[in-house]
Amino acid sequence: TQLLEQSPQFLSIQEGENLTVYCNSSSVFSSLQWYRQEPGEGPVLLVTVVTGGEVKKLKRLTFQFGDARKDSSLHITAAQPGDTGLYLCAGGSNDYKLSFGAGTTVTVRA
Amino acid sequence: GAVVSQHPSRVICKSGTSVKIECRSLDFQATTMFWYRQFPKQSLMLMATSNEGSKATYEQGVEKDKFLINHASLTLSTLTVTSAHPEDSSFYICSASAPRQRGVYYNEQFFGPGTRLTVL
Repeated sequence: TQLLEQSPQFLSIQEGENLTVYCNSSSVFSSLQWYRQEPGEGPVLLVTVVTGGEVKKLKRLTFQFGDARKDSSLHITAAQPGDTGLYLCAGGSNDYKLSFGAGTTVTVRA
Repeated sequence: GAVVSQHPSRVICKSGTSVKIECRSLDFQATTMFWYRQFPKQSLMLMATSNEGSKATYEQGVEKDKFLINHASLTLSTLTVTSAHPEDSSFYICSASAPRQRGVYYNEQFFGPGTRLTVL
């Protein structure tokens, strides 16, 4: 099992502030996905990155895949209460399974 | 696109009974479906991987006789919790995967909304 470490575990910020969530591993992944999950619902796929050094933007969210494809970050600019949720990173390998990080609970206060 | 449904969304049952949960990919044919279990405020724990027409592959520590998985078609997988007990109470989530259009498999999984199982 390939381990993904997410940090921080919890993040509480004021509306309008920026935040960054990190996902690190000693293993190389063929792809990395970021999901957001709200209480009582399934995770929703936000983005997939596959190339080392790749940067993808989704409105106020910026995702980066490390050059060595071992780490990733999610940056949210000007966070809004609607960004509140559990953010999960997941690394993909050749066996079709995903290795999930422990998750980061983000709370954006109005 | 890539919509996955689960039914039921919530189920309450008595100890000793069996519960079936359905997972359907609504707008694509899923090569593989996965079943996860999630405890409160924790990440997802993979229980088993299911391929259409073949036996499911279970993760270490997951009892295959207790958690029966049937993958009848490319759009339907079912998880049956047999002789359920209170410790089986949890949030069960399925996901489905499909190859990307360019033919490169990116391991993307699309999740259902989950099923909250409560065993009394």
